[in-house]
Amino acid sequence: AQRVTQPEKLLSVFKGAPVELKCNYSYSGSPELFWYVQYSRQRLQLLLRHISRESIKGFTADLNKGETSFHLKKPFAQEEDSAMYYCALRRGSTLGRLYFGRGTQLTVWP
Amino acid sequence: ETGVTQSPTHLIKTRGQQVTLRCSSQSGHNTVSWYQQALGQGPQFIFQYYREEENGRGNFPPRFSGLQFPKYSSELNVNALELDDSALYLCASSRGQTDTEAFFGQGTRLTVV
Repeated sequence: AQRVTQPEKLLSVFKGAPVELKCNYSYSGSPELFWYVQYSRQRLQLLLRHISRESIKGFTADLNKGETSFHLKKPFAQEEDSAMYYCALRRGSTLGRLYFGRGTQLTVWP
Repeated sequence: ETGVTQSPTHLIKTRGQQVTLRCSSQSGHNTVSWYQQALGQGPQFIFQYYREEENGRGNFPPRFSGLQFPKYSSELNVNALELDDSALYLCASSRGQTDTEAFFGQGTRLTVV
């Protein structure tokens, strides 16, 4: 079975502070991990995926297979980063099915 | 703009009724997935269609069914509605079965009273 856990439902930081949104997963195979973001009144959209190893809007995430984690980090948070963030897993074997965590609401204060 | 549109945006139904939700996928996308998102939860996979055939199903009862049509349209049908079916229903399309990116619609908010 597979499971995605986001331990923090709410996270608040001040502008310019570092931010880390935690994501842990359980899956015995080789997963693909994603971060999706939903800004206020907008649809869910892909932020980044571990296989591309890219930085989007200053965010990075590293897949740590030993700790089964895929934490999302940004060194200097901006007010426009305030949004709901979802960590998601796809089993490497098949289909496009995504398993989502419950989400973390990030608020960046000015 | 991702190009995935869902209709209607909001819907209120009575327990026991049937509902049909619609999705128009992005052009060129052969795969459509449906998710249910209850309040305060992440989206949960209902099922996926690839080239008009069901291609995977989550832990939902048979009263949740779907269809995918040519020209990138699809629908989700729910029979015998229950109060717990109240949720945001999301449609997501992608280019292939294991394509890297899924594009989501804005969702349909279903309320069952």
